[in-house]
Amino acid sequence: NAGVTQTPKFRILKIGQSMTLQCTQDMNHNYMYWYRQDPGMGLKLIYYSVGAGITDKGEVPNGYNVSRSTTEDFPLRLELAAPSQTSVYFCASAATDEQFFGPGTRLTVL
Amino acid sequence: AQSVTQLGSHVSVSEGALVLLRCNYSSSVPPYLFWYVQYPNQGLQLLLKYTTGATLVKGINGFEAEFKKSETSFHLTKPSAHMSDAAEYFCAVSLIYNQGGKLIFGQGTELSVKP
Repeated sequence: NAGVTQTPKFRILKIGQSMTLQCTQDMNHNYMYWYRQDPGMGLKLIYYSVGAGITDKGEVPNGYNVSRSTTEDFPLRLELAAPSQTSVYFCASAATDEQFFGPGTRLTVL
Repeated sequence: AQSVTQLGSHVSVSEGALVLLRCNYSSSVPPYLFWYVQYPNQGLQLLLKYTTGATLVKGINGFEAEFKKSETSFHLTKPSAHMSDAAEYFCAVSLIYNQGGKLIFGQGTELSVKP
């Protein structure tokens, strides 16, 4: 099992550009999450999903969108990148209470 | 609303010394509590968790934590620090157990271990 994989590992965007952060899990978990991690702030939940076709907002959803068409994939879309979205993004999945995290995507918006 | 506070953003100990990382939570109902560890340039992995039952919980790599309801605390300890313990540690709380519940994280504590 590869677990939770994220692509890309690093990305630099210009203000106003858009991109999709990919997240795939091969553990057949129903629950998936997107977090952002900023220095000294811990992890903040952006969006989450309890199953294919069902998504909901977390604590900091503004500027992001998600979709969940399959159990395996949970992409995160940034439509108009802003410097405030410079962060490290983590995807996670869970079957019950333990969340399994991907290695992260480091995004810089200039 | 739930919240988690980790006291001390940086903790430094000598190799072989006791590790104590502090976590306090606020919650109107009994929470489920977690400690995660993040090694440099990696994702988070679960160290240990408390859901119900015994309040002293043992985790991986010799770590343990005790749930104290009266103090609303869930401090993480390890009797003897090892260089490989250097990492960032996150305390988290969830109200929904066994249903993929959302986690609320503390701000993290970076542990340094001096030789």
